[in-house]
Formats: sequence, C-alpha cells, structure tokens
Amino acid sequence: NAGVTQTPKFQVLKTGQSMTLQCAQDMNHEYMSWYRQDPGMGLRLIHYSVGAGITDQGEVPNGYNVSRSTTEDFPLRLLSAAPSQTSVYFCASSYSFADSSYNEQFFGPGTRLTVL
Amino acid sequence: SQQGEEDPQALSIQEGENATMNCSYKTSINNLQWYRQNSGRGLVHLILIRSNEREKHSGRLRVTLDTSKKSSSLLITASRAADTASYFCATDRGSTLGRLYFGRGTQLTVWP
Repeated sequence: NAGVTQTPKFQVLKTGQSMTLQCAQDMNHEYMSWYRQDPGMGLRLIHYSVGAGITDQGEVPNGYNVSRSTTEDFPLRLLSAAPSQTSVYFCASSYSFADSSYNEQFFGPGTRLTVL
Repeated sequence: SQQGEEDPQALSIQEGENATMNCSYKTSINNLQWYRQNSGRGLVHLILIRSNEREKHSGRLRVTLDTSKKSSSLLITASRAADTASYFCATDRGSTLGRLYFGRGTQLTVWP
C-alpha cells in the first residue's frame, strides 16, 4: 500500500492564482481531512469528509474548497491564493470515525505552499 | 483554537535519558492520541489512549491519562538520537465525527 499520497510536494503561487492540492489514499478509509501547519503552531483542521459525497468545514475553512467524489481522493482547492495561505498542508485519513478506538490518522508527506 | 497544550515547548536531553512530555486539554474526550513528526515529514501515529484507560504502553513509550485533571503525559524511556522530533497530542473534544484537535507540540532533541 502506498498509504496517503500528496501532490505536489512544493508549490509557489502568486496572489490571486488558484490551484488544487491532490490527496489520495489506498486503504479504503472512510474519513479524510486536510490540515495546515504554520510555524510554532500545531495542525489546524481546514475541511474533512466522513465518506464519498460528504464534506464539512473544520476550524479554518475560509478560502478553501473540497469535494469527495470517490473514497480514495480528497482534493483541496485554493480559490484565490493569498499570502496568509502560505503554509504546509497535510492530508490525513482514518479507518472509521464512528469507533473512537480506531480513529488514528495516517498522514501524507505534506505540500509546502508559498504564496507571493 | 488549540485543544491540547504540550509542555514543555522544547526539551533537550542526552541519549539514554528518559523524556517526559505533558499535554493538557480543556474539554471532555473519547480518546487522546500522540503523534511524532520528524523534520520536514508528515505526522506518525504513536499511541491512542481511551478516556476509560489510565495508562498504556507501547515499546519504549508509556502514556498516562488523568481525565480529572484533563492531562496526559508521554514518557519515552532510554531515548535515542533517532527520537529527535516534534511530539503532538491530539484529542477529539468528545466528538464522534473523527475530527482531531492538535496542540502546538514539544520539540525533543536527543544528543548522542
């Protein structure tokens, strides 16, 4: 299994540009989520999904969109990039959200985004 | 807003010593988890402790949970240079939706 994969690893954007960060998992996990990590901060939840066709907002959703058309993929779209979105973005998945004993999350390697 | 608050923010020890990191949180929880992040990498799950458990072991790791004090500790025994990383606690705030809320982490440096 490849686990959780993310592309690209690095990206530089200009203010106002849009782009999509890709995330895929091959573990048949129900739950997927996107976090951003800023220096000196922990991870903050942007959006999450509890299954195909179902998404919801996390703590910091503004400026981002998500969709979940398949179990495997969970892309994150930046609509109009701003310097405040410069961050490292992590995608994660977990087997089941219903049973709290099994909701350990598996993380991708991250995408380092710089917005100029 | 941050849920877990790790203490200390940074910890520097010699190989062979034990490392203890603490986490405090503010709400009820179903479980608390600890993750490790090596520099420039994603987070890796270490251990999960449920709210009805008080202590859990995994290899050189020992986690305790005190729900009355809303706190947890992670002990790494006989530390190695390879344990150098950031360590984060995360809780679910009592939700069953799978959402996790992370603290800012403890940066552990183990000197050979």
